[in-house]
This record gives sequence, structure tokens and C-alpha cells, in this order.
Amino acid sequence: SQQGEEDPQALSIQEGENATMNCSYKTSINNLQWYRQNSGRGLVHLILIRSNEREKHSGRLRVTLDTSKKSSSLLITASRAADTASYFCATDGSGTASKLTFGTGTRLQVTL
Amino acid sequence: SAVISQKPSRDICQRGTSLTIQCQVDSQVTMMFWYRQQPGQSLTLIATANQGSEATYESGFVIDKFPISRPNLTFSTLTVSNMSPEDSSIYLCSVVRSSYNEQFFGPGTRLTVL
Repeated sequence: SQQGEEDPQALSIQEGENATMNCSYKTSINNLQWYRQNSGRGLVHLILIRSNEREKHSGRLRVTLDTSKKSSSLLITASRAADTASYFCATDGSGTASKLTFGTGTRLQVTL
Repeated sequence: SAVISQKPSRDICQRGTSLTIQCQVDSQVTMMFWYRQQPGQSLTLIATANQGSEATYESGFVIDKFPISRPNLTFSTLTVSNMSPEDSSIYLCSVVRSSYNEQFFGPGTRLTVL
């Protein structure tokens, strides 16, 4: 399987704390995308980081990419209860014409 | 971004029957995909829906089980044929919306097979 790994599998934090999720993948990539999924519903696109980028920000989200280690991290700062969801990374390998390979996902629980 | 709708949003079906899922996009897109998410699992690509030609299936998925239509650049259907309980999953379509391959997903169809 080409599926990437994410850790932790589950993360429970209190509101206001930061949450960090990690993603590792196996092949060379063009870019890496992060998604959020609430309670088994559709995926919400959070951020795309290209293979030649090392860090990207969007609001309370910060994504890093280390292509030498084939890994990425998603940091959510000042978390809120509404951030409770599953988070997935997805990569498209170079030359694979847009097909995404998803990581195993991290279930984030933010409590009040 | 993209506005993507799917019908039905959920269904409960009997073993041996078939269900067709529709995916509608608010504007023309070249690349459209179908994914499956089994309970508690991540997403797996079923096939690429090609406009004007047969879909391209991933390993483990066949046309007889998951026939796909793509009559134009805004619409596609996925049929789950001769269903069994193992087909119970969320089925999602996605489209590519930028030169960097940003992919956006529909809301999904939650299928339960009894």
C-alpha cells in the first residue's frame, strides 16, 4: 500500500491549546494537502503545500513540509471545540496525474 | 474552491441491488475522481472519471462492480452494483481546481447495505 501514516491516531486537548499532527509518506510528491472531516461527512480542503515550499500559514493553521524526511506537520493554534474532527493528509506523487494518496488520519477531540 | 453536490446524501439498500450516485459541479472541470471511505478508514481512490472515454480504475476496483459515467465536464455518476454489506461506505467525488492539483470534495454519500 502507498498509504501514508499519520500520528497520533487520536489526540485529545483542551480548548485554547495547540494541536500538532504529523504525516509521513513514501514516495516523491508534487504537493501535499491537508483536509478536515467532521463526523464522517465530506472533506474540507484546508491547505496545499508544494514540494518546493517548507512552511505555509492559513489563519490558525501552520503546515510544514520536509521532503528529505518525507514528512509534514499540521499545527492548529488556539484550538476551539469546533476544530473537533478527523484530519487527513494527502499526497500526489510526481507523475501520477492528480491521484491522491491519503494518510490514515488523526482524530482530534477538543474539549471545553 | 468549488461547489460540489452529491445525490443521494445517504441510502440504505438491500443486498444484491444497485445504487447510482450523482456528482454535480458548479462549473466545468477536467479532472474528476471517485473515492471510497470504509467505516473508520481513510479514503481510497476508486477511479478517475474521464469525459468522453471509459473511466480509469485503480487496482482492486473493476468496471462491472463500479460503472462510472462522465457525460460532460460538470457531471458524473458512480454505480455500486450487486451490493453486499462490505460495500457499506462513504462514497465521495472530487474535482481538481487549480494548476497545483488542489482537490475539492463533495459532501459524500453514506451507503449502508443490509
